[in-house]
Amino acid sequence: GESVGLHLPTLSVQEGDNSIINCAYSNSASDYFIWYKQESGKGPQFIIDIRSNMDKRQGQRVTVLLNKTVKHLSLQIAATQPGDSAVYFCAEKIQGAQKLVFGQGTRLTINP
Amino acid sequence: EPEVTQTPSHQVTQMGQEVILRCVPISNHLYFYWYRQILGQKVEFLVSFYNNEISEKSEIFDDQFSVERPDGSNFTLKIRSTKLEDSAMYFCASFLAGVPYEQYFGPGTRLTVT
Repeated sequence: GESVGLHLPTLSVQEGDNSIINCAYSNSASDYFIWYKQESGKGPQFIIDIRSNMDKRQGQRVTVLLNKTVKHLSLQIAATQPGDSAVYFCAEKIQGAQKLVFGQGTRLTINP
Repeated sequence: EPEVTQTPSHQVTQMGQEVILRCVPISNHLYFYWYRQILGQKVEFLVSFYNNEISEKSEIFDDQFSVERPDGSNFTLKIRSTKLEDSAMYFCASFLAGVPYEQYFGPGTRLTVT
């Protein structure tokens, strides 16, 4: 069935360190995977997406890795800053559909 | 930067009452969505709207829910007879088309049903 889930509900990192947020998915028919950031009291904000035929994509300070063999998605944030504190959701788009299926979310907290 | 706006930010209503949640998507976008998020839980898809009709809906989106795009600008979600379990944050989103697959989300309306 459709399900996207996250390995860890919370992640604490030191400011300046790299953060890695993981996600498992189960639907092989997904054609896009997307990472969203949600700050307290706000709507989800797009970070980066990756097409299913890719295994890596880089943005500004972020990298998304896709391992289709084990159905695993990760978001790496380089040099984590206080402004990165938020809940991070992975989401998948099923091929032929428009909706996004979201995972449970990981809360990232930054220690000074 | 263009953004999706939603009103009201917080709506309190009594069980059984009708509510209308309003959204103004980004003006040149073609796809429109409603999602909801019960406190502390993941974001759940409700409905997508394209070319003036519903293109996809979830099991949550039953006969109590309806959507409209009455004037080419606003996009509304109506809940006809609210239930306690409808209490949630409701997000509107819009998407232009193509890549990146970036659905832009509004700030949400917190619906509290008492």
